[in-house]
Amino acid sequence: DAGVIQSPRHEVTEMGQEVTLRCKPISGHNSLFWYRQTMMRGLELLIYFNNNVPIDDSGMPEDRFSAKMPNASFSTLKIQPSEPRDSAVYFCASIRDGTRTYQETQYFGPGTRLLVL
Amino acid sequence: QKEVEQDPGPLSVPEGAIVSLNCTYSNSAFQYFMWYRQYSRKGPELLMYTYSSGNKEDGRFTAQVDKSSKYISLFIRDSQPSDSATYLCAMSGRSTGGTSYGKLTFGQGTILTVHP
Repeated sequence: DAGVIQSPRHEVTEMGQEVTLRCKPISGHNSLFWYRQTMMRGLELLIYFNNNVPIDDSGMPEDRFSAKMPNASFSTLKIQPSEPRDSAVYFCASIRDGTRTYQETQYFGPGTRLLVL
Repeated sequence: QKEVEQDPGPLSVPEGAIVSLNCTYSNSAFQYFMWYRQYSRKGPELLMYTYSSGNKEDGRFTAQVDKSSKYISLFIRDSQPSDSATYLCAMSGRSTGGTSYGKLTFGQGTILTVHP
């Protein structure tokens, strides 16, 4: 299994530009999570999907952030317009969420390092 | 108050030391407890997984869960420089609807350095 795939691995952009981060979850996983990690705030959950449907986006910092999951194998996180304070590492994670009888755990991608100048 | 509290450290120990990492939590619904390890410039990876209270051992690593005290621990015996990483505790439970969708609540992470 290839694991969770994220692209790009690094992104440097200028303030005001649109940034799109991409994620391919592990095949068969039905929940997908977007996180942001900084030294100051640690790992923050931004939004998560189950069966391609957004379940909770309360962690999205503001309207400049949006996320989509058009199918089970692809998700995007978009920032428009980007600001320097958006600089962070953005992780995507996926899990096969089951029933009461078992519980698996999240598998993380390698992350996208975003720097907004 | 955060649902999960974890001392961010940093923690620096000599090689061979026993390391103790801890988290406390406030949500009684948490049933599944995990420890993730994150090396520099990498994504977190699962290290230990336990269900409910008790101990679980895997090589040099032991995870303990005390649900009555809402306290979990990770012990590393004979620590090695390769153990230097950030350790994040994580936990989840079930909503009243029967699924949490796999959502995890993470601690802030403890930065550990094991020096030779």
